Amino acid sequence: KAGVTQTPRYLIKTRGQQVTLSCSPISGHRSVSWYQQTPGQGLQFLFEYFSETQRNKGNFPGRFSGRQFSNSRSEMNVSTLELGDSALYLCASSAWDSNEQFFGPGTRLTVL
Amino acid sequence: DAKTTQPPSMDCAEGRAANLPCNHSTISGNEYVYWYRQIHSQGPQYIIHGLKNNETNEMASLIITEDRKSSTLILPHATLRDTAVYYCIVTFNAGGTSYGKLTFGQGTILTVHP
Repeated sequence: KAGVTQTPRYLIKTRGQQVTLSCSPISGHRSVSWYQQTPGQGLQFLFEYFSETQRNKGNFPGRFSGRQFSNSRSEMNVSTLELGDSALYLCASSAWDSNEQFFGPGTRLTVL
Repeated sequence: DAKTTQPPSMDCAEGRAANLPCNHSTISGNEYVYWYRQIHSQGPQYIIHGLKNNETNEMASLIITEDRKSSTLILPHATLRDTAVYYCIVTFNAGGTSYGKLTFGQGTILTVHP
């Protein structure tokens, strides 16, 4: 089975712009979670989607949003980018109601 | 989710067993212990999880104390490729605020030496 894929792998944006990141889960997995990783805050949970519905959300401002499509692929969007949004964004997929999550390689976002 | 405490760093010689401890004294009855690791610049990788019985898979063994207040991840024959940050996470398997959410602490940096 192919693993979790994320595109793009690297992205450079400037403050005030918006960005969309994409995640394709492992075939058959319906749950997709997103995380932000920074040197200062470590790995932090953003949100989780299952069958196109957001079931869980972390403590991030409304500028961070996501969605999931009927094929389980997911996107996350960050609007009005700030310098502090520079981070590695990871998505993970899992099978039915399991916390055995399979992570993608991440998207490295740099905000200038 | 219950809080976990791990040593910030550990060393291990290649070929020897690496024993990584984790304290989770506030764990509740139906919370699981999960272990993940993250090799530099890669996404975290699931290793193993358990509820109260000891577990073993092709990567590692998980030993949970009888009172479930601590656990140990054992890599039986560590290799250089096992150098990584190891995270111990306590969480419900599913449901409510646990849906898809793993709470990562600072983890233990394991360095395997030749």
